[in-house]
Amino acid sequence: AQSVTQPDIHITVSEGASLELRCNYSYGATPYLFWYVQSPGQGLQLLLKYFSGDTLVQGIKGFEAEFKRSQSSFNLRKPSVHWSDAAEYFCAVPSNFGNEKLTFGTGTRLTIIP
Amino acid sequence: NAGVTQTPKFQVLKTGQSMTLQCAQDMNHEYMSWYRQDPGMGLRLIHYSVGAGITDQGEVPNGYNVSRSTTEDFPLRLLSAAPSQTSVYFCASSPTRLRHHEQYFGPGTRLTVT
Repeated sequence: AQSVTQPDIHITVSEGASLELRCNYSYGATPYLFWYVQSPGQGLQLLLKYFSGDTLVQGIKGFEAEFKRSQSSFNLRKPSVHWSDAAEYFCAVPSNFGNEKLTFGTGTRLTIIP
Repeated sequence: NAGVTQTPKFQVLKTGQSMTLQCAQDMNHEYMSWYRQDPGMGLRLIHYSVGAGITDQGEVPNGYNVSRSTTEDFPLRLLSAAPSQTSVYFCASSPTRLRHHEQYFGPGTRLTVT
């Protein structure tokens, strides 16, 4: 089965600083990849998705992610974080090619300090 | 649109009791799913449905039943609650099975089994 790994459990960033959250995938073919965000006490919300084509994808709330096949990575970035970005972030991939199941990583919790 | 709604928000059960977690969506989505979220484990798929009358097992189906008699509703039944089922449960829906990865999540139900 395909999977994603998020190596950072918790990251702390100062407000206004840049952010990069890591995601590595294990996938036999060209993967579909997704980032979701979960604000405290809420369900998850889709931030952005990659299917094919341009390896830099833009999402909501000013986030972007870059697909790098050579590194099996799909890292999430934001040039300048805001206090409202404090949340948990999940990378996800379809469990198997053509399968209708989504596998989530274990998440990275982002803390923003003033 | 209310989106995806879940009831109750909180529930405490004793071991051996049964209950049903309710999930409804008003977006006419084909695909619905149930996840549980546990610390350090991300989200794990319990059951999913690609349309009314069709359900299938996810990663951790044991101890849970589902049915999908209408497009709108996808209840999750705990047959005989166990402390290992203490978790936060999320219901999600997607427009179609082909777009199952674009999931809209409910706010969650926090379940404690004593």
